[in-house]
Amino acid sequence: RKEVEQDPGPFNVPEGATVAFNCTYSNSASQSFFWYRQDCRKEPKLLMSVYSSGNEDGRFTAQLNRASQYISLLIRDSKLSDSATYLCVVKLSYNTDKLIFGTGTRLQVFP
Amino acid sequence: DTAVSQTPKYLVTQMGNDKSIKCEQNLGHDTMYWYKQDSKKFLKIMFSYNNKELIINETVPNRFSPKSPDKAHLNLHINSLELGDSAVYFCASSRGENVRETQYFGPGTRLLVL
Repeated sequence: RKEVEQDPGPFNVPEGATVAFNCTYSNSASQSFFWYRQDCRKEPKLLMSVYSSGNEDGRFTAQLNRASQYISLLIRDSKLSDSATYLCVVKLSYNTDKLIFGTGTRLQVFP
Repeated sequence: DTAVSQTPKYLVTQMGNDKSIKCEQNLGHDTMYWYKQDSKKFLKIMFSYNNKELIINETVPNRFSPKSPDKAHLNLHINSLELGDSAVYFCASSRGENVRETQYFGPGTRLLVL
């Protein structure tokens, strides 16, 4: 079983739609969680950290369910510029800098 | 000003050759990393250095040898290149002090082994 699993997509949605991505992780000792965004042929960039209480940044909302080992990302009012691959990322412990990346979910927003 | 830079951006070479990729960060970070992203887009850590000291060494062939001359630089040398080494190699850096600290990635080096 992969350490971080995501639906690869692609998710094809019209502008203005709401879309949600899910991610599950296998190690219950995982301590920190992130969503990164990677555009085609570019480097990954941090989109947002994911906190236990859930957090929102503009049109983006991230949720964490530790009991189910599940992380989600909700994008409201999708824009064409949201088209990218969204990577679910987990850090195992406080004593390591090692990030475990999911394979990513590809989003394509069309006009 | 580029925060994390890598050279070269593209590298095309023959099997059996030895090549190096250079990485520099001007963020004042203590920790640097090398990642490999394969054709299936799976991004996996290879090495991590903190203040020139090797911290993470994943199961990587001995042909890959990182070198950190100072904490702003982390180079990757690859001996006897194989077809399977073709991938995008990303350098990254972070302060490494806090579990929530993000990592900043360089633009990647696209390596193609023929």
